[in-house]
Amino acid sequence: GEKVEQHQSTLSVREGDSAVINCTYTDTASSYFPWYKQEAGKSLHFVIDIRSNVDRKQSQRLTVLLDKKAKRFSLHITATQPEDSAIYFCAAPATSSGQKLVFGQGTILKVYL
Amino acid sequence: EAAVTQSPRNKVTVTGGNVTLSCRQTNSHNYMYWYRQDTGHGLRLIHYSYGAGNLQIGDVPDGYKATRTTQEDFFLLLELASPSQTSLYFCASSGGGVTEVFFGKGTRLTVV
Repeated sequence: GEKVEQHQSTLSVREGDSAVINCTYTDTASSYFPWYKQEAGKSLHFVIDIRSNVDRKQSQRLTVLLDKKAKRFSLHITATQPEDSAIYFCAAPATSSGQKLVFGQGTILKVYL
Repeated sequence: EAAVTQSPRNKVTVTGGNVTLSCRQTNSHNYMYWYRQDTGHGLRLIHYSYGAGNLQIGDVPDGYKATRTTQEDFFLLLELASPSQTSLYFCASSGGGVTEVFFGKGTRLTVV
């Protein structure tokens, strides 16, 4: 089945710099890739997604890039702010059932002053 | 904003004890999910459902039962709790499967 991995457990960036969080997947048939954000002590909420018919999607300071050949997608955050500090999870639909998400392990982003 | 409410928010139980975690969504969503979150593992799916009376097995179902009594309510049952089930549990709902998934605030369960 689908396996989604985030190999960066923690990423620290200075405020104002850019951050890049990477994610890999295994199923070449996957076509939908969302990102979720979890702030300290809070629940997860959706931030941005990309579908396999495009290789780039931008929403304000967030951009998702998709490399289908490498089975990799990444979240780019520009002009980071302290409120960007959170755990970011990537996900993809499970192979066996398209109605459930498989999540990566999460990457802790720390934005310092 | 879609609403998913979990109760209790915190629970401590003893090994071998019975625990029921509750989840209610008022979004008229068909899909509901139970995940557990553990450091180093991210979120792992325990059980899910696509409607009242329906139950689907997730990726880490051992030791857990679940029941979807109504469109709104989804319960997770631990009948013989073990310390390995100490975790942060999230309920989620979705109208269309994997898109637009809304999460509850989580239940922190400690099994001592």
